[in-house]
Amino acid sequence: KQEVTQIPAALSVPEGENLVLNCSFTDSAIYNLQWFRQDPGKGLTSLLLIQSSQREQTSGRLNASLDKSSGRSTLYIAASQPGDSATYLCAARKTDKLIFGTGTRLQVFP
Amino acid sequence: DTAVSQTPKYLVTQMGNDKSIKCEQNLGHDTMYWYKQDSKKFLKIMFSYNNKELIINETVPNRFSPKSPDKAHLNLHINSLELGDSAVYFCASSQEAGTYGYTFGSGTRLTVV
Repeated sequence: KQEVTQIPAALSVPEGENLVLNCSFTDSAIYNLQWFRQDPGKGLTSLLLIQSSQREQTSGRLNASLDKSSGRSTLYIAASQPGDSATYLCAARKTDKLIFGTGTRLQVFP
Repeated sequence: DTAVSQTPKYLVTQMGNDKSIKCEQNLGHDTMYWYKQDSKKFLKIMFSYNNKELIINETVPNRFSPKSPDKAHLNLHINSLELGDSAVYFCASSQEAGTYGYTFGSGTRLTVV
């Protein structure tokens, strides 16, 4: 059974710092891994999708890496801004299921 | 706009009532899902439909009945609502092929009083 864990559970940093959010999954036979952002009381916004054959994906200040063999993915946020404050969720897809991690709640203060 | 849209956004109802949440996607995806986000913000799959056919039913109480009239719509009907059903329900869609990502709706916050 796939289990997805995210570390840390919460993070509070000053503006401008570079951040690394971690995601680990127990079953490495995944199709892809997707990172989402959720603002309080809002829906999920897809940030990056990494296929199982890829090592990383980049979008603006965000970079996500995937190491399938070790069951790990990281989301790197460069030069963090207060607008990055949100909960970040990783989710691993296998067959028809997307299994979510426990989330990292990020606060970036000015 | 291409999206997954669900209605209503908020739903407050009394215990014992029956309610429905509607979901529509115009992305041309062939698979739709219902996810539940509990009070601890953990998201868990409830149902999956592929081309109107039920694919996944994650041991959800049979008070919950999904219905898919066509592949662009997936509704969730809940009978005899209980306090523990209070949560945020998200609809999502994707292609069956595993290389596709998921697109989520904005959620329906259900409060049972």
